[in-house]
Amino acid sequence: GENVEQHPSTLSVQEGDSAVIKCTYSDSASNYFPWYKQELGKRPQLIIDIRSNVGEKKDQRIAVTLNKTAKHFSLHITETQPEDSAVYFCAARLPSETDKLIFGTGTRLQVFP
Amino acid sequence: NAGVTQTPKFQVLKTGQSMTLQCAQDMNHNSMYWYRQDPGMGLRLIYYSASEGTTDKGEVPNGYNVSRLNKREFSLRLESAAPSQTSVYFCASSAGGTYGYTFGSGTRLTVV
Repeated sequence: GENVEQHPSTLSVQEGDSAVIKCTYSDSASNYFPWYKQELGKRPQLIIDIRSNVGEKKDQRIAVTLNKTAKHFSLHITETQPEDSAVYFCAARLPSETDKLIFGTGTRLQVFP
Repeated sequence: NAGVTQTPKFQVLKTGQSMTLQCAQDMNHNSMYWYRQDPGMGLRLIYYSASEGTTDKGEVPNGYNVSRLNKREFSLRLESAAPSQTSVYFCASSAGGTYGYTFGSGTRLTVV
């Protein structure tokens, strides 16, 4: 089955700097890669996703890149702000009847003012 | 449009007690899921239902049962609660394909 590894587990940046979180997946048939943000005590919320036929997607200060050859995808946050502090989860989905997402282990991002 | 609704939000149980966590979605999604999240940890899949009438085990199913009552509702039952089941439980639903999950707000369960 699919396996997703996520790095780093913690990331501290100064406000205004960029942050990059990387994930690798094992099954080349995976075709959908979402990113979730979970603030303390809240539910995970989808912030951006990318499909396997696209190499990059951007939404204001966040972007996701996908390298299918290397089987990895990354979340980029530019001009970080204190409200970006949260745990970020990547995920991958194999096309199948179950539609399960396989989640990474999460990255705790802290943005210091 | 409520999305995914979970009840209750908080619950304290004594060891050995039973309870059912309720989840309902109003987005006409086929797939529904139950996850648990321990403090500072990631999401672990307990059970899932790819469609009405079907359920399957995830990675941590022991001590739990589920019912997919209809397309909208997917409940999680703890028959005999144990302290190891203290966790935050999230229900999620998905349209599948290249669409993500929508999570409920979670149930914070403490077993004493």
